Amino acid sequence: AQSVTQLDSQVPVFEEAPVELRCNYSSSVSVYLFWYVQYPNQGLQLLLKYLSGSTLVKGINGFEAEFNKSQTSFHLRKPSVHISDTAEYFCAVSERGQAGTALIFGKGTTLSVSS
Amino acid sequence: DSGVTQTPKHLITATGQRVTLRCSPRSGDLSVYWYQQSLDQGLQFLIQYYNGEERAKGNILERFSAQQFPDLHSELNLSSLELGDSALYFCASSLTGDGHQPQHFGDGTRLSIL
Repeated sequence: AQSVTQLDSQVPVFEEAPVELRCNYSSSVSVYLFWYVQYPNQGLQLLLKYLSGSTLVKGINGFEAEFNKSQTSFHLRKPSVHISDTAEYFCAVSERGQAGTALIFGKGTTLSVSS
Repeated sequence: DSGVTQTPKHLITATGQRVTLRCSPRSGDLSVYWYQQSLDQGLQFLIQYYNGEERAKGNILERFSAQQFPDLHSELNLSSLELGDSALYFCASSLTGDGHQPQHFGDGTRLSIL
């Protein structure tokens, strides 16, 4: 069965500093990978996705992620964070070729940006 | 705005009761998903529908059921409610229901069981 591990439950960082949120997945088949962000009292918003092709994926709000098949990782990065990036971030995976395409989510990482 | 509409936003009820959560997908999306978000279990997939047919089932309790109607809106029915059912319930939709199409989430229905 698939699983997603987000290695850090909380990441505190100062404004304008770089940040990396780590995500590892466990699957014996090819997968699609996603990062979502959840602001307080809101739904999940898609940040970026990896389907195939280039392993470096660029998303919204200056975020990017790199797919590493050998390490089964999909870490999210941003070179300079803003206060407004404070939110919960979720890594998710779905299996290729499955008739049902549920997303399996990690437990989430709370990013707290302070001045 | 994701284009996915969920009603109601909040629901407070008592144990043993039954509730219905409603979801209108983004215009043009054929697939609807339901997820439950709780502090202890995180985000868990419940069920997926595609164009009115059940496509996949996750950790959905027998007390819970769902359907997707011809106009593509979906309802999640929760019955014999227990305290542990208190959670945020999300609906998401995607164009085709294939894994490469991203899922777009509504703002959720917060269910509180007293």
